[in-house]
Amino acid sequence: NAGVTQTPKFRVLKTGQSMTLLCAQDMNHEYMYWYRQDPGMGLRLIHYSVGEGTTAKGEVPDGYNVSRLKKQNFLLGLESAAPSQTSVYFCASSYPQGGGNTDTQYFGPGTRLTVL
Amino acid sequence: GESVGLHLPTLSVQEGDNSIINCAYSNSASDYFIWYKQESGKGPQFIIDIRSNMDKRQGQRVTVLLNKTVKHLSLQIAATQPGDSAVYFCADTKETSGSRLTFGEGTQLTVNP
Repeated sequence: NAGVTQTPKFRVLKTGQSMTLLCAQDMNHEYMYWYRQDPGMGLRLIHYSVGEGTTAKGEVPDGYNVSRLKKQNFLLGLESAAPSQTSVYFCASSYPQGGGNTDTQYFGPGTRLTVL
Repeated sequence: GESVGLHLPTLSVQEGDNSIINCAYSNSASDYFIWYKQESGKGPQFIIDIRSNMDKRQGQRVTVLLNKTVKHLSLQIAATQPGDSAVYFCADTKETSGSRLTFGEGTQLTVNP
């Protein structure tokens, strides 16, 4: 049971380039989330998903897109990267089927993205 | 808007002492609160949670206290160890099922040997 995994761990982009961050969870969780974390700040929600095939905007969705084609995967895309998107990105999941605490979110190790 | 905030950005304690990290929240409708620990270069790790129908919950060396009257949450760490050095975040939600969490800015706990 690997929990929540994220790829890649590090990435450097030039302004205007695109990329996709992959999040995978093997806990059969229904809900998945993407956050960004900037120095001296807490986590801010970008997008989230309450189930396969569904996505919704969070607090800071501009400049990002997401897809949840499979229950275990949640992709975060940057179509045209900007320096303001330099950050550490965390994925999380929650709401196990069949019981358990529905609100506790479990986080991945993060992806450190630099946009030059 | 609604927010969850922390009283102090940094806290420095001696090894073996007890630590208390505080958090204030503004949404009186919040019914679930979580404390996370984040070590350098890692993702947040769940520590302990509490629902609004409780005022105290204990875990291993950690206790969370909830005062709904003044909208205050605290995390107590007993016999603080060097491995406890990290940033601690509180988070809250006003729904009960897989809901969106609102995170505070975090408190950096440093444990001095």
